[in-house]
Amino acid sequence: AQSVTQPDIHITVSEGASLELRCNYSYGATPYLFWYVQSPGQGLQLLLKYFSGDTLVQGIKGFEAEFKRSQSSFNLRKPSVHWSDAAEYFCAVGRSYNTDKLIFGTGTRLQVFP
Amino acid sequence: DAGVIQSPRHEVTEMGQEVTLRCKPISGHNSLFWYRQTMMRGLELLIYFNNNVPIDDSGMPEDRFSAKMPNASFSTLKIQPSEPRDSAVYFCASRSPGQGDEQYFGPGTRLTVT
Repeated sequence: AQSVTQPDIHITVSEGASLELRCNYSYGATPYLFWYVQSPGQGLQLLLKYFSGDTLVQGIKGFEAEFKRSQSSFNLRKPSVHWSDAAEYFCAVGRSYNTDKLIFGTGTRLQVFP
Repeated sequence: DAGVIQSPRHEVTEMGQEVTLRCKPISGHNSLFWYRQTMMRGLELLIYFNNNVPIDDSGMPEDRFSAKMPNASFSTLKIQPSEPRDSAVYFCASRSPGQGDEQYFGPGTRLTVT
């Protein structure tokens, strides 16, 4: 069965610092992978997605993620964090042949200090 | 496009009452998803529809929960009777045809059952 693990429940960084949020998945075939962001009181917004091809994918708001099959990981990165990036981030995995069902991780809450 | 529309945004009700949550997906999208988000269980898929037909309702917690999609532009999630443990944020999401397309989330309905 598919599963997603986000090991970090809460991360705090200073504005301008680099950021990496971890995501590990479990799935027998090549997964479809997503990162979503949820601002307080809002729904989830897609940051980026990976289906195939280049393992480094670029997303909105300056985020990128790298798919590493050998490590079953899809970590999210940003070189310089802005205060407006404070939010909750969710990694999700879908089956390669049917992305109707997405399995979401438990989320990582990002706090940004000025 | 207005995005996915959910109503009401907030609902407070007493235990035992019937609750109906509403969702209008993005025009042209043929898949609709209902999720529940709680601190304890994270984001859970309750049910999803393709072309107005329920495909997988295995996430619906109990018979007290029911969902309908009478047409392509409207869906409801009903809880009858409601219980305090149903308190959560309920999200609706929609997806356009095409393998791998992302899900677009609504702003959610925050339900409190007292």
